[in-house]
Amino acid sequence: EVKLVESGGGLVQPGRSLKLSCAASGFSFNDYWMGWVRQAPGKGLEWIGEINQDSSTINYTPSLKDKFTISRDNAQNTLYLQMSKLGSEDTAIYYCARLGTTPHYFDYWGQGVMVTVSS
Amino acid sequence: DTVLTQSPALAVSPGERVTISCRASESVSTLMHWYQQKPGQQPTLLIYLASNLESGVPARFSGSGSGTDFTLTIDPVEADDTATYYCQQSWNDIFTFGSGTKLEIK
Repeated sequence: EVKLVESGGGLVQPGRSLKLSCAASGFSFNDYWMGWVRQAPGKGLEWIGEINQDSSTINYTPSLKDKFTISRDNAQNTLYLQMSKLGSEDTAIYYCARLGTTPHYFDYWGQGVMVTVSS
Repeated sequence: DTVLTQSPALAVSPGERVTISCRASESVSTLMHWYQQKPGQQPTLLIYLASNLESGVPARFSGSGSGTDFTLTIDPVEADDTATYYCQQSWNDIFTFGSGTKLEIK
């Protein structure tokens, strides 16, 4: 069974940094692209970015490219999202997701982790 | 970025056929995908590459379209289909989602 479990969320002050993790199991992690999607309270889905199997290609939505960094550790079957210079607009549920065999869509999603940016 | 436009909400009765539309600001070929999100849950994949049904998804769901106009059809609708439905394109390296269509079952 494919499982994606996010962790590392919580309350963080504006301007600070936070690193999210996503532990993957039930599939061969190093065979798949992985990505992050977020959802602000009561709002729609926003694609953050994605990383390929060997980390040689990482794509970001332009508005977050200078704030967020996606990485992965294939030995640990873990995906990461490093977030910096956080503002209230970054308050959201953050989902880790696996891309399908053709890396165009997300075929499995984690349950999400909440990040609240507030003083 | 490729903008995807969806109508905000629909209301239908059980047993009816419903079509949910998604229009792209530029051609995305058939690189369009559909997700269902029920309240308080993560999204789940319904349709990929415009018309391919994801494994385990009921055959009541189908997708069609190419270029800029796409449709998700549910026939017949069931009460459990109450959810928000999102389209997502992957034509270029910057993926985008539509704003979602909230489906209410009367």
